[in-house]
Amino acid sequence: GAVVSQHPSRVICKSGTSVKIECRSLDFQATTMFWYRQFPKQSLMLMATSNEGSKATYEQGVEKDKFLINHASLTLSTLTVTSAHPEDSSFYICSARDFDVPGTGYQETQYFGPGTRLLVL
Amino acid sequence: GEDVEQSLFLSVREGDSSVINCTYTDSSSTYLYWYKQEPGAGLQLLTYIFSNMDMKQDQRLTVLLNKKDKHLSLRIADTQTGDSAIYFCAERRIIYNQGGKLIFGQGTELSVKP
Repeated sequence: GAVVSQHPSRVICKSGTSVKIECRSLDFQATTMFWYRQFPKQSLMLMATSNEGSKATYEQGVEKDKFLINHASLTLSTLTVTSAHPEDSSFYICSARDFDVPGTGYQETQYFGPGTRLLVL
Repeated sequence: GEDVEQSLFLSVREGDSSVINCTYTDSSSTYLYWYKQEPGAGLQLLTYIFSNMDMKQDQRLTVLLNKKDKHLSLRIADTQTGDSAIYFCAERRIIYNQGGKLIFGQGTELSVKP
């Protein structure tokens, strides 16, 4: 099956520093990847849609200058949390969209990475 | 409303069947998904159903879709302690000029007691 990796799995940083999180599709090419944020015991909140070779599309209320997204290749998207503060501490999950054509027809599926736990001190 | 809704908790005994329910909002959604999340992990795709289907069975999992009521359910037969996790339903919604996005429910925490 389709596999998506994230690196690092957890990171602790000081307030004011920047943190980069990588999301890779390992066995398929993904023109579109998604970045989500999840707070404890809550659902996933879509932050932005990352498109290979073009600018990311951010959801309302998400600061694009704070959460920089780069989708430089068909297998890699990065999220950089700039000037991180304690309120940015969260679980960040990426997904990659795959298109499949099984016997019953066209199918679109998002495969998720294992997540990155960010703690800003 | 615009939310995908699920009940928050479900507790069952090992060996029983679990039924997790979900209501969605967009009648034009073409795909509906069930994902499983274990503590501290990402989301694992369990199964999906296309909107022209009423039912889909995959080993211990059965998905039922009632398009008229916009109701989706996931039945887990012979529930095991390893099935304890949070289960998210999601609908694929087409947003003008943005393509397809997944809209998630709040997640149902399934607790399986031995």
